[in-house]
Amino acid sequence: KNQVEQSPQSLIILEGKNCTLQCNYTVSPFSNLRWYKQDTGRGPVSLTIMTFSENTKSNGRYTATLDADTKQSSLHITASQLSDSASYICVVSFNAGNNRKLIWGLGTSLAVNP
Amino acid sequence: KAGVTQTPRYLIKTRGQQVTLSCSPISGHRSVSWYQQTPGQGLQFLFEYFSETQRNKGNFPGRFSGRQFSNSRSEMNVSTLELGDSALYLCASSLWGNNDNSPLHFGNGTRLTVT
Repeated sequence: KNQVEQSPQSLIILEGKNCTLQCNYTVSPFSNLRWYKQDTGRGPVSLTIMTFSENTKSNGRYTATLDADTKQSSLHITASQLSDSASYICVVSFNAGNNRKLIWGLGTSLAVNP
Repeated sequence: KAGVTQTPRYLIKTRGQQVTLSCSPISGHRSVSWYQQTPGQGLQFLFEYFSETQRNKGNFPGRFSGRQFSNSRSEMNVSTLELGDSALYLCASSLWGNNDNSPLHFGNGTRLTVT
């Protein structure tokens, strides 16, 4: 069964600290993996996309990794800021016939405290 | 470019009523998808429209329906509302839908409360 699991479910860190969010998937055939950030009361916004051949990709203080062999991805946030408080959602795309379909994780809720 | 616009922002309805939600995609985007988001279930895919045709559908009952107009604007309708329909409904647009690597651009959603 195609599934995406994220951990931890929630996380509290102090401003300035680093953190790593995990995304494990059992989706096949894999097409790509994307991380979204969702602020409270807003829609999700794409942070980065990982394709099969990519291991690491950075977007400012956000760095995503992908291990296609173990089917794991991580999102590392460096020098956290209060504005990083949000839900981070991992979504995996897979090929289904002529279309691609998306499997969404439940997200990790991150709170950055001063 | 203007982002994805969803109206209304908030809705309160009574069980048994029906509701229509509206979504205006980013100009030039032909794909519009609808999602239901609840705390326990995360983002649940409702359906996707591309060039006025429903291209994909999730596992929701027939009470949930949608349509897309020639200008790519989309509406979603829920009939005979139930308490469990209370959720944030998100609309997302993209150029080609899921069939390329472009991201989904989400609106800020319509918060539906059914009492």
